[in-house]
Amino acid sequence: DTEVTQTPKHLVMGMTNKKSLKCEQHMGHRAMYWYKQKAKKPPELMFVYSYEKLSINESVPSRFSPECPNSSLLNLHLHALQPEDSALYLCASSQDQVAAYNEQFFGPGTRLTVL
Amino acid sequence: GENVEQHPSTLSVQEGDSAVIKCTYSDSASNYFPWYKQELGKRPQLIIDIRSNVGEKKDQRIAVTLNKTAKHFSLHITETQPEDSAVYFCAAILSGTYKYIFGTGTRLKVLA
Repeated sequence: DTEVTQTPKHLVMGMTNKKSLKCEQHMGHRAMYWYKQKAKKPPELMFVYSYEKLSINESVPSRFSPECPNSSLLNLHLHALQPEDSALYLCASSQDQVAAYNEQFFGPGTRLTVL
Repeated sequence: GENVEQHPSTLSVQEGDSAVIKCTYSDSASNYFPWYKQELGKRPQLIIDIRSNVGEKKDQRIAVTLNKTAKHFSLHITETQPEDSAVYFCAAILSGTYKYIFGTGTRLKVLA
């Protein structure tokens, strides 16, 4: 399996809801990433997990809470989001975060709308 | 902070012509430069990459060149086809953290 999968594809939530985004890979990669992408903009890094430990948090608001239950799964828990958080949320994985040549494979994304 | 500049922001070419997209990076220790293609509503997909110990790499109609002295790298697409229409992002890996620093993207339109 050479793909990163994400669920759900689309999510609409209110500002008081709690929801979770899920990401899975079976390539044996030990680094996993969450990115946020606004329309017509490049992906913006949010979090990096390396060997199931949080390695980088790009000063993301606490209403976004990442979790890495095991080496294949990555979750992003959402609570009390704002309309400006509406975006495409992309998961990615790579062999190892600190590899010099670090090809990242992206999932199809979850399109999130916050009402 | 470190950044990657990408030009042009939009590019229209006739089918069969060549397209060139240029990026300039600031971290002189960057040593890996991937290019991603993102079609509308789809995931970014790696189309080609280049390492700092190589000056040029080619894969069929796509090539990438790297000038480490000038800190810039370019994507070349020859014999463009309508299915090449997409947004292309360059990136440079940031030394130390190994994060990707993305360029701002180029929207390529290939006119049939």
